[in-house]
Amino acid sequence: QVQLQESGPGLVKPSETLSLTCTVSGGSVSSGSYYWSWIRQPPGKGLEWIGYFYYSGSTNYNPSLKSRVTISVDTSKNQFSLKLNSVTAADTAVYYCARVKGTTGSYRDAFDIWGQGTMVTVSS
Amino acid sequence: DIVMTQSPDSLAVSLGERATINCKSSQSVLYSSNNKNYLAWYQQKPGQPPKLLIYWASTRESGVPDRFSGSGSGTDFTLTVTGLQAEDVAVYYCQQYYSSPLTFGGGTKVEIK
Repeated sequence: QVQLQESGPGLVKPSETLSLTCTVSGGSVSSGSYYWSWIRQPPGKGLEWIGYFYYSGSTNYNPSLKSRVTISVDTSKNQFSLKLNSVTAADTAVYYCARVKGTTGSYRDAFDIWGQGTMVTVSS
Repeated sequence: DIVMTQSPDSLAVSLGERATINCKSSQSVLYSSNNKNYLAWYQQKPGQPPKLLIYWASTRESGVPDRFSGSGSGTDFTLTVTGLQAEDVAVYYCQQYYSSPLTFGGGTKVEIK
């Protein structure tokens, strides 16, 4: 079965770039059947969709973060990555990678598989 | 952006009783071409990622107990837990996937009375 695992630094300094990787096992990020997303959750708060990536290179980002976000893929490692630049304390959150379910053939679908999440703190 | 508003923020229910959570979207998430509501429900327990319970507003994800049910259409939706179990203590979120940006409700915390 497909599993996702986030990895990356747990502490990032203000104004620097947050970089996280999601490793996919039991499936392929190059599968045309699925979209792949990043979602975050500030401590004690709700969920915010960051954006998605499709194997063709198509991406779509939340306008609230669009100017600072890049999602990319490394098919050789079966991973997809998140870069968020110019971070502030407001970017402190648990970051999740997730698979879009694939029933619609588009990103417009539920998230059926999630990673365990990784906590990132922005602090000097 | 489609704003998702959940109510109540929290509720306490006795074991075996019914829990009802409401979710309202700021615009319809019913896609007329296929008559599907682009609405999902998730359960999140402390320290865990969200778990998909319901999609298309009323379709249970594989392996989800049938005490969880979803209903509603257009802008008003409900998640019902019939016969609450201790393991159902969690925060529940609705989410629309009708349009970008995909958005979530603020969550409803369910506790045991």
